[in-house]
Amino acid sequence: AQSVAQPEDQVNVAEGNPLTVKCTYSVSGNPYLFWYVQYPNRGLQFLLKYITGDNLVKGSYGFEAEFNKSQTSFHLKKPSALVSDSALYFCAVRDITRGSARQLTFGSGTQLTVLP
Amino acid sequence: GAVVSQHPSWVICKSGTSVKIECRSLDFQATTMFWYRQFPKQSLMLMATSNEGSKATYEQGVEKDKFLINHASLTLSTLTVTSAHPEDSSFYICSVSDSLGLAGKREQYFGPGTRLTVT
Repeated sequence: AQSVAQPEDQVNVAEGNPLTVKCTYSVSGNPYLFWYVQYPNRGLQFLLKYITGDNLVKGSYGFEAEFNKSQTSFHLKKPSALVSDSALYFCAVRDITRGSARQLTFGSGTQLTVLP
Repeated sequence: GAVVSQHPSWVICKSGTSVKIECRSLDFQATTMFWYRQFPKQSLMLMATSNEGSKATYEQGVEKDKFLINHASLTLSTLTVTSAHPEDSSFYICSVSDSLGLAGKREQYFGPGTRLTVT
């Protein structure tokens, strides 16, 4: 089975400070990892993904994430937070095992609040 | 990425009635569509997966006779909530994917969601 854990329900950070939203995953095969952002009453917007290659993935709006296989983590980061980054963030994983693919599994979400 | 729309964006219906939610892929051939539901401050839970022209595959615990899914074309899927009850009130989100390349690498594009309130 595949699973994703986002250990923090809420993250608060001051504007201009770096932010980190944590994500760990569990899969039996190779993971494909994703980050999405959701604004109130809106669908999910894709931020970035890791498939293969460089462990540091750069995405939309200045966000990046680092894939760490030994720690099974894929934390989302941004060097300088903006108030407009305040939203709900979801980490998701898709397990690729022997050429087959399972559906995306989402974490429970982390509410990011950037304080002015 | 693909542009996905949902209609309506917000619907209120009375208990016992049925409501249909449309998901359209505007510029993308969606061979696969997914329907999720999301309760307030919770994650997305996959309800069902449908492939164009075939019956949907429902996740465990999702009643297929209550949540009717039709995926008749590459650009349209509908979710009908039959005999709705207040506990069906939720945010319903569709997602689309194509059939190109390896299954695991396929992008999923999400619609803006439909807020259903059953009174």
